[in-house]
Amino acid sequence: AQSVTQLDSHVSVSEGTPVLLRCNYSSSYSPSLFWYVQHPNKGLQLLLKYTSAATLVKGINGFEAEFKKSETSFHLTKPSAHMSDAAEYFCVVSELTGRRALTFGSGTRLQVQP
Amino acid sequence: DAGVIQSPRHEVTEMGQEVTLRCKPISGHDYLFWYRQTMMRGLELLIYFNNNVPIDDSGMPEDRFSAKMPNASFSTLKIQPSEPRDSAVYFCASSLARSMNTEAFFGQGTRLTVV
Repeated sequence: AQSVTQLDSHVSVSEGTPVLLRCNYSSSYSPSLFWYVQHPNKGLQLLLKYTSAATLVKGINGFEAEFKKSETSFHLTKPSAHMSDAAEYFCVVSELTGRRALTFGSGTRLQVQP
Repeated sequence: DAGVIQSPRHEVTEMGQEVTLRCKPISGHDYLFWYRQTMMRGLELLIYFNNNVPIDDSGMPEDRFSAKMPNASFSTLKIQPSEPRDSAVYFCASSLARSMNTEAFFGQGTRLTVV
């Protein structure tokens, strides 16, 4: 069975400082991993995905995530936060075999202070 | 492509009424998912289809909920009768499962309020 744990429900940073959103996963099979972002009253948008081609994945808006199999982690980072980054972020796991649907973490709400 | 299209965007209904949510997936996608988002439970998978066939409906809360996909371009989620605890945002998503790394594309959601 697959599962995702987002370690922080809320993260607050100052504009211009680094962002770190933590995610650990559990999967019986080789997983696919994604980060989605949801702005207030909006749908979910894909930020980036792990394709197994490289452990460091670059996404949109300057976000990156590093896949660490030994730590079963897929943390999301950004060197410098922008006010527009304030949103809810979801770490997501999917498996090729077994249940094909995405399993979402509980979400991390990112606040960016001016 | 216009993306996944859901209608209506907002729905307010009285307890006991029937509610139908609609979804048009991205053309050519062979998987369709219905999710529900609430503050208490986050994003929950309700049901998903592959090639119009329901594969896993274990997330459907109870018999009041039903979903259909009569063809590749249309799906409905119906609640009958509706209850206040069904108030949530319902998302439809679709994907093309050519590889293990295929992401799902989400619609804008339907915000349902049952009073």
